[in-house]
Amino acid sequence: DSGVTQTPKHLITATGQRVTLRCSPRSGDLSVYWYQQSLDQGLQFLIHYYNGEERAKGNILERFSAQQFPDLHSELNLSSLELGDSALYFCASSFISGGAVTDTQYFGPGTRLTVL
Amino acid sequence: DAKTTQPPSMDCAEGRAANLPCNHSTISGNEYVYWYRQIHSQGPQYIIHGLKNNETNEMASLIITEDRKSSTLILPHATLRDTAVYYCIVVSEMDSNYQLIWGAGTKLIIKP
Repeated sequence: DSGVTQTPKHLITATGQRVTLRCSPRSGDLSVYWYQQSLDQGLQFLIHYYNGEERAKGNILERFSAQQFPDLHSELNLSSLELGDSALYFCASSFISGGAVTDTQYFGPGTRLTVL
Repeated sequence: DAKTTQPPSMDCAEGRAANLPCNHSTISGNEYVYWYRQIHSQGPQYIIHGLKNNETNEMASLIITEDRKSSTLILPHATLRDTAVYYCIVVSEMDSNYQLIWGAGTKLIIKP
């Protein structure tokens, strides 16, 4: 158990809909990262938040957005969903801001999103 | 594109040492080598990381060549639970962004 929690575990929805994925980092961790993993693919970095502020963006679509709240939990919002958005979505947390290259990330169990 | 090259798959007998290679020929001086593994769609699990020196922890050993262009992750006594996809990642910081680029990894199958 990494200490990172994600809800829900599974999510099934229809095209065009909007969903919110939630992540609670390990106690004391200030950074939250979001990743997308499509079927049999590697992880794609989406976005990184540190202590409530966006720090880095990866290949995140404009239809996707995220935020980190004062209690440090984070939400990833996916809108106008398409079939291709079906994937595993992982969040990870770390203590250091992400500016240090020795930033070890601890991953949650993921949310499996299925868009029908 | 990922900065690392790994074999797509490997087999290892249970109880033997599993040696997973990784090439990172374009690594720069301040970039670390990290290893994670992912067991069947679970969240990736941190294994070990290093800069120049060899490293060892309770899970594995990391051997980095002197020129830092390649490394090997060693699982000393592989068990069936070590069957997973192993990712070698070069961690870089580009300007104010933090890039973590994952390749396809090596699918390690431990056989009884």
